[in-house]
Amino acid sequence: DGGITQSPKYLFRKEGQNVTLSCEQNLNHDAMYWYRQDPGQGLRLIYYSQIVNDFQKGDIAEGYSVSREKKESFPLTVTSAQKNPTAFYLCASRGDRGLYSNQPQHFGDGTRLSIL
Amino acid sequence: SQQGEEDPQALSIQEGENATMNCSYKTSINNLQWYRQNSGRGLVHLILIRSNEREKHSGRLRVTLDTSKKSSSLLITASRAADTASYFCATTLNTGTASKLTFGTGTRLQVTL
Repeated sequence: DGGITQSPKYLFRKEGQNVTLSCEQNLNHDAMYWYRQDPGQGLRLIYYSQIVNDFQKGDIAEGYSVSREKKESFPLTVTSAQKNPTAFYLCASRGDRGLYSNQPQHFGDGTRLSIL
Repeated sequence: SQQGEEDPQALSIQEGENATMNCSYKTSINNLQWYRQNSGRGLVHLILIRSNEREKHSGRLRVTLDTSKKSSSLLITASRAADTASYFCATTLNTGTASKLTFGTGTRLQVTL
């Protein structure tokens, strides 16, 4: 089945540690996105990528980094500079990267990150 | 900042009743989408309505869009216990930048037997 796979499902970070969340899609989608979800606050955009080897900051990029070396992969690193990393992280993809796209986003099942 | 705000924040109804959720947004949009999220899971796309459309149906879902009031509503008819979830509206901003979604804070729907 085509879809988006996020791993791990649960992740714990120690003080001063960088951690990387995996996101892989087999939908052959161009655009990929990372969101952070805190209780009662909806989803906020961290980074997005419209094409391989290119990505842009979203609304809350500080303390995070990404790479897009392959079309199907868009890993997110939560660095030690992110002082409040505890949240639910969601990866999504979309079939086209057009400016006025009317295609929906497809989501993975998320990674829950906590601080030890 | 959040583009969309849902109302109510939480809604509890009995099975068979209709559920109505509202979404307001602030700026001109290209389209508005509704997503559903079961607890601890990712979001699932429900329906998309373009800025030049006023109403759209999909099964038991009915979405309306009023661009003059910058608002949308999602109606779920004949609700079932399996409809229990959080529902989010999301807007694609018509700013000429990359197509990004901005999500509201969501409505938590509880459907009881």
